[in-house]
Parts: sequence; C-alpha cells; structure tokens
Amino acid sequence: GAVVSQHPSRVICKSGTSVKIECRSLDFQATTMFWYRQFPKKSLMLMATSNEGSKATYEQGVEKDKFLINHASLTLSTLTVTSAHPEDSSFYICSASPRDRYTDTQYFGPGTRLTVL
Amino acid sequence: EDKVVQSPLSLVVHEGDTVTLNCSYEVTNFRSLLWYKQEKKAPTFLFMLTSSGIEKKSGRLSSILDKKELFSILNITATQTGDSAVYLCAVYTGTASKLTFGTGTRLQVTL
Repeated sequence: GAVVSQHPSRVICKSGTSVKIECRSLDFQATTMFWYRQFPKKSLMLMATSNEGSKATYEQGVEKDKFLINHASLTLSTLTVTSAHPEDSSFYICSASPRDRYTDTQYFGPGTRLTVL
Repeated sequence: EDKVVQSPLSLVVHEGDTVTLNCSYEVTNFRSLLWYKQEKKAPTFLFMLTSSGIEKKSGRLSSILDKKELFSILNITATQTGDSAVYLCAVYTGTASKLTFGTGTRLQVTL
C-alpha cells in the first residue's frame, strides 16, 4: 500500500515551453501533497504544499506564477513549470500524506527529471 | 529558521561493518522525526519517531530519538552492499506541518 506515482519520469524540453508533472496516490486518498526539488547531491527542498480544493502554500523564494500547482482531487496533484529555462532543470519529487493515517507520514513518488535545453 | 544537520556527510565501510548515522535538529514545535533511504530515485520511508527513548527496529536497521538532546541516530548492523544509499533525516514541525530535510549521509558499503 501507499504507492505514489509520478508522470513523466523524465522530460526534456526547449527553453520557453511549459511542462506539466502529475503526481498520483494510487491506493489511498491524500489530503495533502507536497512538491520538492532536489539538485544533484543535495537534499530535498520543499517548494509548496497543496491541499485538495484549496490554493497551494509556497515556500519563501518559490515563484507561484512560475510553478503552478493544482490539487484537483484527493488522488491527483499537478505541477506545471511555466516558461521553463535551463536553471529550472532539476529532479522534482512529490509526496502525499494519507487521509486516514497519522498526518506526519509522507510517501514519495519516484521523481521526475526535468532537463531544459 | 528550522535546521536539520546530519553527520557524517559521507561514509565508506566494508561489508559486515556496523554504522551509526547522526541527525541533530533545531526546530520550533517539533512533531516527529523521519528517516528515509534514497537510492537512485525518490526516498523510501524507513522510520518515524515521535517519542524519546523508544527504539524502532526493522531487520538490521534501528533508530532512536533523544528529544532532550535534540538528536536521533540510525544504526545499520552487518552492512551489505545493498545498503549503499543516501540516508535522509527529516523533521516534521507542527507550526507549518512540513518536513525539513537534512543534507543526508551518503553511505557506501564495499566488498
């Protein structure tokens, strides 16, 4: 149980395009989903917290107009990187907290590697 | 600002050795501490600790939390090459309900 999927696993795009990454909780409902960014050999940095049906809460320094988050249902959250530039290239990981368990448990998706040319 | 510090940053051991990884934290409104193992992809959950002094154990891995001294350790006994990974410590704070991650300890187990 507690499986989280991400799609796509890898994406390469041209500078200026927008990229959408999906995060799904496959066997549980998630009241809260989190989006992280990880640079090579660095730890995870929280970008934003999204709650189903409400606006995401962004961490300081994260541009909400650049990284659009939508949490349309209890099993799906999407992150759209708008007008991507090479500096947006990174490993993006989502996680989800099950609705019916202790809320401090977070299960991570397999990540999406974004390369912007 | 919440801070989680892990040590050592990296470690190389021989198969069969026992290792201890450290995690100290300075956060407001501590709720729980979590350990994750990260290989090539996203982190996989190992333990969640909320109470001081109670050891959590899973096979060769064990962890304990000291809330008075604000640290946790992760022990791995009889290490195997499959234990090679980055081990991440993260602290959940109640104020913002978010995880703050440490920089991780990169463990390499050689034959």
